[in-house]
This record gives sequence, C-alpha cells and structure tokens, in this order.
Amino acid sequence: EDQVTQSPEALRLQEGESSSLNCSYTVSGLRGLFWYRQDPGKGPEFLFTLYSAGEEKEKERLKATLTKKESFLHITAPKPEDSATYLCAVQADSTLTFGKGTMLLVSP
Amino acid sequence: KAGVTQTPRYLIKTRGQQVTLSCSPISGHRSVSWYQQTPGQGLQFLFEYFSETQRNKGNFPGRFSGRQFSNSRSEMNVSTLELGDSALYLCASSLIPGDYGYTFGSGTRLTVV
Repeated sequence: EDQVTQSPEALRLQEGESSSLNCSYTVSGLRGLFWYRQDPGKGPEFLFTLYSAGEEKEKERLKATLTKKESFLHITAPKPEDSATYLCAVQADSTLTFGKGTMLLVSP
Repeated sequence: KAGVTQTPRYLIKTRGQQVTLSCSPISGHRSVSWYQQTPGQGLQFLFEYFSETQRNKGNFPGRFSGRQFSNSRSEMNVSTLELGDSALYLCASSLIPGDYGYTFGSGTRLTVV
C-alpha cells in the first residue's frame, strides 16, 4: 500500500527564516510526486511535479527536490503570505495518495 | 477564466439522509476527480470521471456514487449519511486523465448531525 508521511505536522517560522518541509514516501513504482499549497477555506493549489530522483523545481521562494525515498520543499526567506498547509502526493498508478500536510505559519 | 465551481459551499444534513454535490470543471477540462478531506485522514480519493465514464474508484463504500454529464459537469451522491461522512468534499479538474496538476474547487463542507 502506498504511504506518504509529511513532517513536521506544523512549523512556525519568523519572516526571513528559511526551512524545509519533508515528504517521505513508500510506493511501488513512483510515476510522479506532487506538491500543493492549501489556504484555509480553499482547495489545494498545484505547485510542482517531480518525476525522478535528482530533479528540482523552483517557484519564487519555494524549491522542491526529490530523492528515491523523500522529497523536500525548501522555503527561502519566507514571508507571511507563505503561511498555508503544504500537501505532498505521490502517483503510483492512476490515482494520487496524499500526505496529511505540514501547516506552516510565518510570523512578521 | 472561471475556476472549478462547487455547489453548495456548505451543507448540513441529518443522519440517514442523502446528499448530492455538484462540480463544474474549468471550461475545456474533461476529467473530474473527487476527494474527501478530513482532519484525521487527510485527502482521500473517491472517484475519477472522464467522458461520462468512471475510470477509477477509491476505497469507499457503495453509498458514495457519482456521475459525469456530457458537458463534463459532475455530481457525487452520498446516501444514508453517517456522522463520519462529515468532511470537505473537493472536486478537481484537468484536461485529461493522468494530468495530476489538478485545479481544485473550494469544496463543499458537509456536516452530518
């Protein structure tokens, strides 16, 4: 059974304090790893797809990386507007399995 | 362009009742997927529709069903509601099946009392 574990469950940062979120996965034949951002009261918003170990994707202050067992979402010099829940999901066959997310709070 | 529209946004139902939720995908998107989100289980896949056909179904009881219309709009139905069905139900659309860079709607918050 595919499993996705995200850590930490919650993270509080000061504005400008860089950090990383972790997504560990167990899946037979990874076809893709996805990162989403979810704001309160809204549906998830797609951020990145990673397909193979060693791949990296960047968008503004966010950079996602992938190894054979885990993915990291690095947040550089975060701002309060980066506060959200970040969700990781893996695709093994024709569906996505999501982790429970990391709730990030960035204080000014 | 308009995003994914889910109606209603909030719903309160009594145990034993049934409920129908609606999803209108982004114009041109023909694949619609449904997810249930709860604090304890996170996001769990319900089903996926493409060209009015169910392509995949998650591990949910038969009380959960759905359909897709020729204009790609989709509905999901939950019969004989249980307290544990209280959740945020999210609809996601994409151009084609297998494109998981979904666009999600804001969801329908269902409360069963």
